[in-house]
Amino acid sequence: AQSVTQPDIHITVSEGASLELRCNYSYGATPYLFWYVQSPGQGLQLLLKYFSGDTLVQGIKGFEAEFKRSQSSFNLRKPSVHWSDAAEYFCAVGAWSGGSNYKLTFGKGTLLTVNP
Amino acid sequence: SQTIHQWPATLVQPVGSPLSLECTVEGTSNPNLYWYRQAAGRGLQLLFYSVGIGQISSEVPQNLSASRPQDRQFILSSKKLLLSDSGFYLCAWSVGQGYTDTQYFGPGTRLTVL
Repeated sequence: AQSVTQPDIHITVSEGASLELRCNYSYGATPYLFWYVQSPGQGLQLLLKYFSGDTLVQGIKGFEAEFKRSQSSFNLRKPSVHWSDAAEYFCAVGAWSGGSNYKLTFGKGTLLTVNP
Repeated sequence: SQTIHQWPATLVQPVGSPLSLECTVEGTSNPNLYWYRQAAGRGLQLLFYSVGIGQISSEVPQNLSASRPQDRQFILSSKKLLLSDSGFYLCAWSVGQGYTDTQYFGPGTRLTVL
């Protein structure tokens, strides 16, 4: 069965600093990978996704992520963080789960705090 | 464009009371629908998913049930709530054949069971 690990529960960065959120996955076949962001009390918004092709994926709000098969990683990056980026970030892997059932498995999330 | 609605936004219920949470999707047909529960520090747990009217799959045995009476309506229910049912419930939709699915989430319902 697939799994996702986000090693950092909480990260604090200063506004304007660069950001990297880590995500490692476990899946036996080609994974379909996603990053979502959740503001407090809100639903999840899709930032970006990787299905195939170029391993560097661009998303909304200036985020990008790089798929590294050799490291089973899909880390999220942003060169300069804004205060409005403070939120919780979830990595997810989509995979077939028996027969024709497809499901997303989420990591436990990384809470990002941005200091002024 | 597609939109997804959930209500109520917040709910406080006593233990043993029934529950009904509703999710509706607009602007698409025959979506795949999902119910997730989010507990603090535990990420998102898939509870139910549906690929069509009357077709419900349960991921985790629990005190909850789901129904899909209409194509774009998904309901989460319980006959008797437990304290452990407290959490943030998210509905999501997708269209496609699975492997290219992107799930889009509603605003969520905060349920507190006292």
